Amino acid sequence: NAGVTQTPKFRILKIGQSMTLQCTQDMNHNYMYWYRQDPGMGLKLIYYSVGAGITDKGEVPNGYNVSRSTTEDFPLRLELAAPSQTSVYFCASSYSDILAKNIQYFGAGTRLSVL
Amino acid sequence: ILNVEQSPQSLHVQEGDSTNFTCSFPSSNFYALHWYRWETAKSPEALFVMTLNGDEKKKGRISATLNTKEGYSYLYIKGSQPEDSATYLCAHPSNDYKLSFGAGTTVTVRA
Repeated sequence: NAGVTQTPKFRILKIGQSMTLQCTQDMNHNYMYWYRQDPGMGLKLIYYSVGAGITDKGEVPNGYNVSRSTTEDFPLRLELAAPSQTSVYFCASSYSDILAKNIQYFGAGTRLSVL
Repeated sequence: ILNVEQSPQSLHVQEGDSTNFTCSFPSSNFYALHWYRWETAKSPEALFVMTLNGDEKKKGRISATLNTKEGYSYLYIKGSQPEDSATYLCAHPSNDYKLSFGAGTTVTVRA
């Protein structure tokens, strides 16, 4: 059981380039999340999804897009990379859970630098 | 997004000593309080989800208490060991499935 898998682990982008961060989970979780982690700031929610075909903005969605065509996959797209998007990105998933009483399972993270 | 605060930001503990730190959150419309442990170069892993006022949870040498009326939770580490070195995150959900995380307390256990 792989859990939540993120690729790539590391990436360096030039300003203006685009890329997609991949996230897949094999636990049949309906809920999936993308966070970014900046030093001293904790985890900030970028986007989340409560099921295939349904996505919504989190706290810091600007500069990102997501899609959820299947239960398993929740890719995060950066269209025009900016230095402010240098961060560590985590994907997470949880069981269907109104009021978030179920734990979230995290991927290993993607470290992104935009230069 | 709800404001979750953790203190202190970091602490250093001598091996064998016990320690504790705080997570504070808005006490209105309480649903749950999550604690996660985040080791360097790894991903956060859940420790506890607490839902009831007065809840106490325990996992090995780590335990947590919850006071929903005053909006705080304590996490305790008894007899700290080097493997307890990590950042401990608490998180509080809003009513639309989103977790709001604190900035974390980074614990360093010195041998």
